[in-house]
Amino acid sequence: AQSVAQPEDQVNVAEGNPLTVKCTYSVSGNPYLFWYVQYPNRGLQFLLKYITGDNLVKGSYGFEAEFNKSQTSFHLKKPSALVSDSALYFCAASSGAGSYQLTFGKGTKLSVIP
Amino acid sequence: EPEVTQTPSHQVTQMGQEVILRCVPISNHLYFYWYRQILGQKVEFLVSFYNNEISEKSEIFDDQFSVERPDGSNFTLKIRSTKLEDSAMYFCASLLGAYEQYFGPGTRLTVT
Repeated sequence: AQSVAQPEDQVNVAEGNPLTVKCTYSVSGNPYLFWYVQYPNRGLQFLLKYITGDNLVKGSYGFEAEFNKSQTSFHLKKPSALVSDSALYFCAASSGAGSYQLTFGKGTKLSVIP
Repeated sequence: EPEVTQTPSHQVTQMGQEVILRCVPISNHLYFYWYRQILGQKVEFLVSFYNNEISEKSEIFDDQFSVERPDGSNFTLKIRSTKLEDSAMYFCASLLGAYEQYFGPGTRLTVT
């Protein structure tokens, strides 16, 4: 069975500093990996995905993520955090191969401090 | 920009009652999903729907759950006889085939 782990419940970062939100996965075969963001009382908003190709993928709002196959990780990064980035971030994976159901991590709350 | 919509935003029901949660996926999408998130827990997959039939379902999706696409636009989740443990946020999602699913804002179901 596939699984996604987000080891940090909360990440605090000062505005303007770089941020990293961690994610590791366990998926058979070649994983499809995603990051979603959830603002209060809103749905899940797609940020970026890794399907194949370059290990560094760029997404919305200046976010990027690095796929590391040997470490089975897909950490979310941003060079300079904004207060408006404060939200709940979810990492998700699917196994592809005709199955697109997503397995989610438990989420990481990001707080950017002014 | 097209988006997935869900109604109602909040549904309160008594244990044992039937509820229908409604979703309007993005119009040219082909795959449809329901997920749920119990307060404080992970988002969990319930069911996927493609070509007018269920393509995958989780162990959560037992006989009390059903899905339907009654017309060309709506996608519904029915819970036949609600239990207290069905209280959760239910998210609908749709997918064209480019891998990322687009989620609706969710329906908060409260079973009393």
